[in-house]
Amino acid sequence: QKEVEQDPGPLSVPEGAIVSLNCTYSNSAFQYFMWYRQYSRKGPELLMYTYSSGNKEDGRFTAQVDKSSKYISLFIRDSQPSDSATYLCAMSAAGTPLVFGKGTRLSVIA
Amino acid sequence: DAGVIQSPRHEVTEMGQEVTLRCKPISGHNSLFWYRQTMMRGLELLIYFNNNVPIDDSGMPEDRFSAKMPNASFSTLKIQPSEPRDSAVYFCASRIADRFNEKLFFGSGTQLSVL
Repeated sequence: QKEVEQDPGPLSVPEGAIVSLNCTYSNSAFQYFMWYRQYSRKGPELLMYTYSSGNKEDGRFTAQVDKSSKYISLFIRDSQPSDSATYLCAMSAAGTPLVFGKGTRLSVIA
Repeated sequence: DAGVIQSPRHEVTEMGQEVTLRCKPISGHNSLFWYRQTMMRGLELLIYFNNNVPIDDSGMPEDRFSAKMPNASFSTLKIQPSEPRDSAVYFCASRIADRFNEKLFFGSGTQLSVL
């Protein structure tokens, strides 16, 4: 079993839809959880950052962490064509490098 | 701030040739990471440095790969000799090594094609 599992998609939704992206993980020591967004031919850029369990909201984006289930989610409300990108989950234990999921490719159709 | 700067953006070479990828981290960042991204394997960590010292190179595929960080503002990843299976996008990333801050900043990557 890989440390971090993420459905690669692709996921295609109409503009305005709510998008749900998910990752599961196996390492119970992970306590830093992040979502990166990667546009075509660009490097990943940090979108959301959560320490330990709970929810975090930033505009149209909400990140959730459920450590008991080893499951993290990213919700995008009122999705826009500009949200079309690959979304990578990433996580780490204290003092260790980030481990990334393979990424989910999202297309938001106008 | 110019961000993490990588060069070249694209590299096309023939099998057996030496390839050198370059990275300038964000000023003030003291951790530097080299990643490789492919469709099949996603984003894989190759090696990372703290304060110019290599900490973990267990992700380096084999002895053909080597990385150096001679100072805080420059790092290289070298492949010698290159093989077609090395074709991928190579990313450099940097951050401040902070217990509560694991935010990584990535460069735009080098697209490597080995023919």
